[in-house]
Amino acid sequence: NAGVTQTPKFRVLKTGQSMTLLCAQDMNHEYMYWYRQDPGMGLRLIHYSVGEGTTAKGEVPDGYNVSRLKKQNFLLGLESAAPSQTSVYFCASSPTGSEQYFGPGTRLTVT
Amino acid sequence: GEDVEQSLFLSVREGDSSVINCTYTDSSSTYLYWYKQEPGAGLQLLTYIFSNMDMKQDQRLTVLLNKKDKHLSLRIADTQTGDSAIYFCAERGSQGNLIFGKGTKLSVKP
Repeated sequence: NAGVTQTPKFRVLKTGQSMTLLCAQDMNHEYMYWYRQDPGMGLRLIHYSVGEGTTAKGEVPDGYNVSRLKKQNFLLGLESAAPSQTSVYFCASSPTGSEQYFGPGTRLTVT
Repeated sequence: GEDVEQSLFLSVREGDSSVINCTYTDSSSTYLYWYKQEPGAGLQLLTYIFSNMDMKQDQRLTVLLNKKDKHLSLRIADTQTGDSAIYFCAERGSQGNLIFGKGTKLSVKP
């Protein structure tokens, strides 16, 4: 099993550009999450999904959208990137909503 | 509200025990977690404890939970240089997400 994978690993965007981050898991987990990690802030939840076709807002959802069309994939979209979205983005999945397994992260810089 | 606090730094000598402490606020948390993050990597689940337990041991790791004081600790026995990393304490939040502390950076000196 590859576990949780994220694409891309690194990206640089200009302000106003859009992009989609892809998270994939091969563990048949129902729950998937997107977090951002900023220096001195720990990890904060952006959006999450409790199953295929469902999404919900987390602590810091503004400026992001998500989709869960297939159980194994969870996409995070930035429609109009801003410098405040410069961060490291982590995806996680969970079988039951308790323990979560994380991907390696995507480092995004918005200039 | 939900909040998790940890000290930011800990330095120990190789072979000593490390103890990383954490306090949390939500007394209804059912699970509490310890994650490890090495430089440039994702978070690795080390262990977790159910709230009705006082202690859990897994090889060199010992987790102690004091539910009355809302205090969680992670003890690493015989600390090695490969244990150098940032350790995150987390509790399960009301949305099913994890509420993380800011992380404790463990430095192991040879």
